[in-house]
Amino acid sequence: SYELPQAPSVSVSPGQTANIACSGDKLGDKYVSWYQQKAGLAPVLLIFQNNRRPSGIPERFSGSNSGNTATLTISGTQPMDEADYYCQACDSSVSFVFGTGTKLTVL
Amino acid sequence: QVHLRESGPGLVKPSETLSLTCTVSGGSVNSGAYYWSWVRQAPGKGLLWVGYISYTGYTSYNPSFRGRVIISIDTSNNQFSLRLPSMTVADSAVYYCARISRDSANYYKNYLDSWGQGTLVTVSS
Repeated sequence: SYELPQAPSVSVSPGQTANIACSGDKLGDKYVSWYQQKAGLAPVLLIFQNNRRPSGIPERFSGSNSGNTATLTISGTQPMDEADYYCQACDSSVSFVFGTGTKLTVL
Repeated sequence: QVHLRESGPGLVKPSETLSLTCTVSGGSVNSGAYYWSWVRQAPGKGLLWVGYISYTGYTSYNPSFRGRVIISIDTSNNQFSLRLPSMTVADSAVYYCARISRDSANYYKNYLDSWGQGTLVTVSS
């Protein structure tokens, strides 16, 4: 089955850039979405189709996807960005596959 | 703006069937632009896609559920539902309903653009 491993945790200082990676076999051939999930709340779509932002999502969130790695970049990270982040891709066999998730700590 | 809300029992006994309903407001389930999906999250764990349904009743399920999942749609009431029989403790989770924005030309472009708040289901005798 298709898997999307992510680092369990990433730490960043306020105002710095956070990079959250998601890896998968030939992931660059697929389209990746990213979701933010704050504690106790439902996930929220941050990025879709690799690098597109829904309306209302701040410009500091951006995405890229190439080779076997997709990356969510948060520029000028704010304390309110502390959350779990999940990548997601569509696989031919399982349809939707989520990454294992990365907990972002802003300290 | 579309709004999704899950409803159903918070407690299910082992071996019983879970039935959840997602009520959609601010939009219609009777649209070819979307699929309607269920995702679950066990306590402290990651997201797991369960399955989705189209307005025509076309379904796709996560094979890991080994045919246990049934998703149905009620366009007259703007709802879709999840049935999961033979519940075990391992099925305890927050269940989310979500809308999938679909690209009719490229399946790989699909993504979940709106989510319900989720409902916690505990399996216990």
